[in-house]
Formats: sequence, C-alpha cells, structure tokens
Amino acid sequence: AQSVTQLGSHVSVSEGALVLLRCNYSSSVPPYLFWYVQYPNQGLQLLLKYTSAATLVKGINGFEAEFKKSETSFHLTKPSAHMSDAAEYFCAVTIGYNNDMRFGAGTRLTVKP
Amino acid sequence: GAGVSQSPSNKVTEKGKDVELRCDPISGHTALYWYRQRLGQGLEFLIYFQGNSAPDKSGLPSDRFSAERTGESVSTLTIQRTQQEDSAVYLCASSSGRWGRSYNEQFFGPGTRLTVL
Repeated sequence: AQSVTQLGSHVSVSEGALVLLRCNYSSSVPPYLFWYVQYPNQGLQLLLKYTSAATLVKGINGFEAEFKKSETSFHLTKPSAHMSDAAEYFCAVTIGYNNDMRFGAGTRLTVKP
Repeated sequence: GAGVSQSPSNKVTEKGKDVELRCDPISGHTALYWYRQRLGQGLEFLIYFQGNSAPDKSGLPSDRFSAERTGESVSTLTIQRTQQEDSAVYLCASSSGRWGRSYNEQFFGPGTRLTVL
C-alpha cells in the first residue's frame, strides 16, 4: 500500500538555522509527491510538488525538496529559518492510478528567536 | 475565482445528534476529498469522490459516517448519532484531476470545527 512517513512530529530550530523536515514514501507506482503547510488556524496550502520533471523542486517561501528514488525520500529543506515559518508541514503522495492522496502525520516546526 | 468553501465554520452539537457538513468545491473540479483532523494530529483520510462516484470510502471510521455528492458540485458529510470522539476539524479539498493519474494539487477549504458535547 502507498503511504507516507514523516520522521519527527516536532522539529525546533533557531532563527537563521537550516530547516530539514523528513518524509519517506512507499508506492507501487512512480509517485507524485507534495508538501503542504498549515499555518495556525488556517487551511492547508501547497508548498511544492514533485511530478517527475526534476528531482529538485523549488517551492514558495524559499523551501525546496529533493526526490531521491533510491532512498524513497522527499525531504523538505530551507537554508535559513524565519519566525514566520512556524507551522505544521504535511508530506503527501498520490496513490494508485487515480487522484487519491495520502498525507503523513505532519511535523510541527517551531522557530526560536 | 472562489476557493473551496465549507459550512458551517463551527458546529457545536450534543452527543447523539446528527450533523451535516457541507463542502462547495472549486467550480469545474471533478475530484473532492474529505479529511478529519483531530486536535494536534495529522490529516485522516475519510472519503474521495470522482464526480459523484466514491471509488474510495475506506477511511470512513464507522457506519455512522456517510457522504454524498451531487454531480461535480457540492458534497455533504453526515455524521449520525455523534460521539465525543467525533470532535475534530473536518477538511474538504478539491482538485481538477480526471480519471487516470494526475499530479493536480488539492485545494483545501477552511474546515468545519465540530465539537460534540
């Protein structure tokens, strides 16, 4: 079965430090992968998506993610954290041959001043 | 254009009552999804519609939960005989994907916060 595992339910970094949020997937077909962000008391919005065009994907707000097939990973990174990056981040994968999607459990990012 | 809308934004109900949650997807979006998000937890998939057909109902937690969709338009999630564990934010999303594989983004509504007393 297709699924997503996000390692670490909580990640805390200092402002200006590297952000690394981990996501591993399993899929029986070539996956399409997504990262969504949920700011406090708001809905989810798309950060970036991998659709097989390029393995390094750049998204909004300086985030990027690299698809590594050999590691079945799609980790999210940002070189320098801002206080405004504090939010919940969800990795997701489309499953099967339809538009169904499964989300990871989420990682809450805290940014310390 | 308008995004995904959900109503009501908040619903407080008594244990044992039935509730209906509504989702209006983005016009023209054929795929519609319902998720549940309990406090401090991730998204729990409930059901997925392609048009008015539901090819995947695997996430519905019990037979008290049901959902329907009219064509490629509004969807209603119904919870019968609500229990306190049903308290959560219920999120709806839609996407423009058609049958067959797609990497189309899901657009989320603001959610309905359900509280069962």
